[in-house]
Amino acid sequence: EAGVVQSPRYKIIEKKQPVAFWCNPISGHNTLYWYLQNLGQGPELLIRYENEEAVDDSQLPKDRFSAERLKGVDSTLKIQPAELGDSAVYLCASSPRTSGSRNNEQFFGPGTRLTVL
Amino acid sequence: GDSVTQMEGPVTLSEEAFLTINCTYTATGYPSLFWYVQYPGEGLQLLLKATKADDKGSNKGFEATYRKETTSFHLEKGSVQVSDSAVYFCALSFAGGTSYGKLTFGQGTILTVHP
Repeated sequence: EAGVVQSPRYKIIEKKQPVAFWCNPISGHNTLYWYLQNLGQGPELLIRYENEEAVDDSQLPKDRFSAERLKGVDSTLKIQPAELGDSAVYLCASSPRTSGSRNNEQFFGPGTRLTVL
Repeated sequence: GDSVTQMEGPVTLSEEAFLTINCTYTATGYPSLFWYVQYPGEGLQLLLKATKADDKGSNKGFEATYRKETTSFHLEKGSVQVSDSAVYFCALSFAGGTSYGKLTFGQGTILTVHP
């Protein structure tokens, strides 16, 4: 079974430029997450999708970050414009929809390492 | 808010030594608890989990017991190997409510095992 796929793996851009990250979740997984991982820290949730609906985007900096999940499968996270402080690893994860279940395991992709110069 | 605190790192051990990585949590409710591992250059992988008090999660020789009375989920392994060198993250999540599925992570503990 294929895991969560992310691209690109690495991205280097200059500040004020736009950037986009792509995620393809595990087939059949309805829930998709984007996390931000700063160096030396644990990941922090940016946004969570149930199918194509963003059900928790409270931690997404909406002035410069946006995300979409068309057709409830692939997702794109965009930053425009990027700032120096956005340098981090952006992780995508997916999980099967199990309403009310405590067995809410998430499967992570390898991440995209963004460097803003 | 909910939070997870891991022991200060990094941790350096010799092969076959005993490992303990402490993890405590603060949560308003009854979360599920997880340990994730991140090997160099790879994504996070679920190592083990526990969904209720006194449950013991185990995998690859690692164990952790959900202790509700001490709000802890310490990771242990009796004999570490060089291949266990990685970053270990403790995390919690809830099965329902507005925070359903959101993983709250600790800061991670770097483990280095020498031959």
